[in-house]
Amino acid sequence: AQSVTQLDSQVPVFEEAPVELRCNYSSSVSVYLFWYVQYPNQGLQLLLKYLSGSTLVKGINGFEAEFNKSQTSFHLRKPSVHISDTAEYFCAVTVTSGTYKYIFGTGTRLKVLA
Amino acid sequence: GAVVSQHPSWVICKSGTSVKIECRSLDFQATTMFWYRQFPKQSLMLMATSNEGSKATYEQGVEKDKFLINHASLTLSTLTVTSAHPEDSSFYICSARDMRAQETEAFFGQGTRLTVV
Repeated sequence: AQSVTQLDSQVPVFEEAPVELRCNYSSSVSVYLFWYVQYPNQGLQLLLKYLSGSTLVKGINGFEAEFNKSQTSFHLRKPSVHISDTAEYFCAVTVTSGTYKYIFGTGTRLKVLA
Repeated sequence: GAVVSQHPSWVICKSGTSVKIECRSLDFQATTMFWYRQFPKQSLMLMATSNEGSKATYEQGVEKDKFLINHASLTLSTLTVTSAHPEDSSFYICSARDMRAQETEAFFGQGTRLTVV
């Protein structure tokens, strides 16, 4: 079975500062990895995904993430955050075969302070 | 990216009544759809997986007689919450993927906020 751990439930950061949201996963088989953002009372928007190839993945809104297989991590980073980045961020995994159902982490609430 | 439309975006119903939530894939054929439930300030919990034309596969602990899922066509899946009670109040989100196209990404609907009073 797969699992996803997001250790930080909340991350406050000042505007224009860098941020890193941590994600670690556990799986005995190959997985695909995703980061989603959710604004209040809305669905999920895909930020970026790792399928294969380069371990550094760039996504929308200036976000990027690095897949580290040895540390089973997929941390999300942004060099300079904006107030509008305040939202809930979810890391998710799905196996590369079978039902492809997603397993989500518990989420990290990013709060950008002025 | 592909679009998944979920309707309604919010609904309020009386305790004991049933509510139906629709999930449509607008520009692709969704051979597989997933239904999630999200409690306030918590993560998404998978409720069930449905394949077009087949019975849904429910996750452990999810009452299949209470949460009826129908996936009769390649573009529509419905979740019916039967005899709803206040504890069923939650945010429900569907996602869809086209397995035949070997898409690695599932696309999410905008969610439905259900409030049972």
